[in-house]
Amino acid sequence: EPEVTQTPSHQVTQMGQEVILRCVPISNHLYFYWYRQILGQKVEFLVSFYNNEISEKSEIFDDQFSVERPDGSNFTLKIRSTKLEDSAMYFCASLAGEDYEQYFGPGTRLTVT
Amino acid sequence: AQKVTQAQTEISVVEKEDVTLDCVYETRDTTYYLFWYKQPPSGELVFLIRRNSFDEQNEISGRYSWNFQKSTSSFNFTITASQVVDSAVYFCALSTGGFKTIFGAGTRLFVKA
Repeated sequence: EPEVTQTPSHQVTQMGQEVILRCVPISNHLYFYWYRQILGQKVEFLVSFYNNEISEKSEIFDDQFSVERPDGSNFTLKIRSTKLEDSAMYFCASLAGEDYEQYFGPGTRLTVT
Repeated sequence: AQKVTQAQTEISVVEKEDVTLDCVYETRDTTYYLFWYKQPPSGELVFLIRRNSFDEQNEISGRYSWNFQKSTSSFNFTITASQVVDSAVYFCALSTGGFKTIFGAGTRLFVKA
């Protein structure tokens, strides 16, 4: 069964550093998403991406964040200058469009020290 | 605005007890999907069920069952004869037009042997 993959599974970085989280969505999917889950809290929507542009973003998704689909397979989330409060699990998801079911990747745990 | 409420923060049961996790949602859309996910300690989101707004049939899958009632905007999840392996955080979620998924705060289930 096709699945969404994410790399790395765990990333440790120092405050102020840039990080790029990578995702490979399911190949025929058209909609792509990033979500964040701070430890012990709920999963929060960050951004959706369709047709090579952001279709919606939450208030969490400020100028420090950016997304890109650099080629036909990868979907990346960049955090320009990480803060301690960016420590969280980041989930990528993709969706075909015929139904509303998003397929979630296994997540990247980001730790900012 | 869309909202998902899981009023039960934590539930503790003894193995073999039945347990029901409550979920109440809000949306003005007439077309939407509801989901339940399981998040074990390893952190990934495990898809359990999807239900669209036009299908109010209850569903049973092994020890799991779901009760969808549009009249009360509820989508409750019951585990019959709970097992220790059911211990996890369970999230109810809602997806509407635009496809982003809104999660509830989650219910942490402890099943004691």
